Amino acid sequence: GNSVTQMEGPVTLSEEAFLTINCTYTATGYPSLFWYVQYPGEGLQLLLKATKADDKGSNKGFEATYRKETTSFHLEKGSVQVSDSAVYFCALSDPGGSNYKLTFGKGTLLTVNP
Amino acid sequence: GAGVSQSPSNKVTEKGKDVELRCDPISGHTALYWYRQSLGQGLEFLIYFQGNSAPDKSGLPSDRFSAERTGGSVSTLTIQRTQQEDSAVYLCASSRLPWGGGHYEQYFGPGTRLTVT
Repeated sequence: GNSVTQMEGPVTLSEEAFLTINCTYTATGYPSLFWYVQYPGEGLQLLLKATKADDKGSNKGFEATYRKETTSFHLEKGSVQVSDSAVYFCALSDPGGSNYKLTFGKGTLLTVNP
Repeated sequence: GAGVSQSPSNKVTEKGKDVELRCDPISGHTALYWYRQSLGQGLEFLIYFQGNSAPDKSGLPSDRFSAERTGGSVSTLTIQRTQQEDSAVYLCASSRLPWGGGHYEQYFGPGTRLTVT
């Protein structure tokens, strides 16, 4: 079956530090890959996505590249801000069942200190 | 426009009671998903609706869980004879109808926090 493994953290960084959150996946088909973010007290929001190998998703300074050879989709940001403090979830959607349900990693809590 | 809404936002119930959780998806979204977020299990898929039918119920943890959708819109998740392990945040998401080769973003509601005492 499908699965997603991500760095569980928590991760604590100072403002302007470089961020990497690792994510690897196992899938039976050709999945789309996503990073979702959950800010304190808010619902899940899509941060970025990539739908095929070598695609790079980017949004709000965050980037992730779909690496089929290493089955990875690591999240990076060059300079984090306090407002980036949130829980980040890596997820995949496998069209094999034609319903595109999401399989999530366990989530990584990021705290950015001023 | 309005996003996905869920009610109630919080529900505390006694073990053994039945509960109903409601989801109002974004207007026009044919696909609707229920997920559960708990400390031990993370985020898990429960059920998928395409219109009013549920072609994938594979994530429902037991026969105490059921869901329906009416008018291609509102969905209700029902948990009968609640147990303490049912305590979690129940999330609803909606999207345009998925199709082969394409994927539409799932928009999530704020969730219902269920506590079984």
